[in-house]
Amino acid sequence: EPEVTQTPSHQVTQMGQEVILRCVPISNHLYFYWYRQILGQKVEFLVSFYNNEISEKSEIFDDQFSVERPDGSNFTLKIRSTKLEDSAMYFCASNVAGSTDTQYFGPGTRLTVL
Amino acid sequence: GDSVTQMEGPVTLSEEACLTINCTYTATGYPSLFWYVQYPGEGLQLLLKATKADDKGSNKGFEATYRKETTSFHLEKGSVQVSDSAVYFCALKSSRGAGNNRKLIWGLGTSLAVNP
Repeated sequence: EPEVTQTPSHQVTQMGQEVILRCVPISNHLYFYWYRQILGQKVEFLVSFYNNEISEKSEIFDDQFSVERPDGSNFTLKIRSTKLEDSAMYFCASNVAGSTDTQYFGPGTRLTVL
Repeated sequence: GDSVTQMEGPVTLSEEACLTINCTYTATGYPSLFWYVQYPGEGLQLLLKATKADDKGSNKGFEATYRKETTSFHLEKGSVQVSDSAVYFCALKSSRGAGNNRKLIWGLGTSLAVNP
C-alpha cells in the first residue's frame, strides 16, 4: 500500500541553524500539507500546497518557513533560522483531491532545537 | 472559528471493557469528521471518517456517528484490546473556503491505555 514517507526521522540542530525536512507524498496525490505537534499539545496546521503554490498558511508559518516541491516527488519544509520553540514533531500529509478526501500522514520528523 | 473539543485523558481500561471517547465540534456548514490514531512511536493513521450527518464511520471494531444535532462524533468500541493502546485524535475538515486542500483542525488527543 502506498504511503507518505519522511526523512529524517529525527533531526537535532542548534538554534539559528537552517533545517530542511523532507517528505515524499503518495505518488498520485495532488495536495500537500505540513502540520506540527509540540510535545503534549494539539496538532497544528502549518501550510497547504497545491499546483506549486501555497494555498493556505497559518500564523505559525512566518517568513522563517518555506515549502517547495523541487521535483515531481519531494515536498520540503525549510526553517531558515530555527528557534527553541520550533522543537516539535513535523508531519507531512497528502491527499488526492476533494474537500472530503482523506489526508494521509507520514510518520513524522522529530525536530529538536538546542 | 472552527474547533474540536475532545475529552481529556488518559483513559485506562481493562481488556474487553467498553470505550467511549467524546468529541464535539464547532463549525459552520457541514464539515467532514475524522478519527486518527497514533500508536506509540508511529505517525498519524486514519481510523475512520464520516462526511455527512448521520453517517457512521467504522473500522477495526471502532465506530463513530456524525451527529449534527449535538455536534458530536464520539468514538466507541465495545471490547478493547491491549493493542488498542494509543492516542486518539478527533479532527474536522471545514466545508467552507475555496479549494480542495482544506486543513484539518484537531482536538487535543486522548491517550488510551488498555491493561491485560
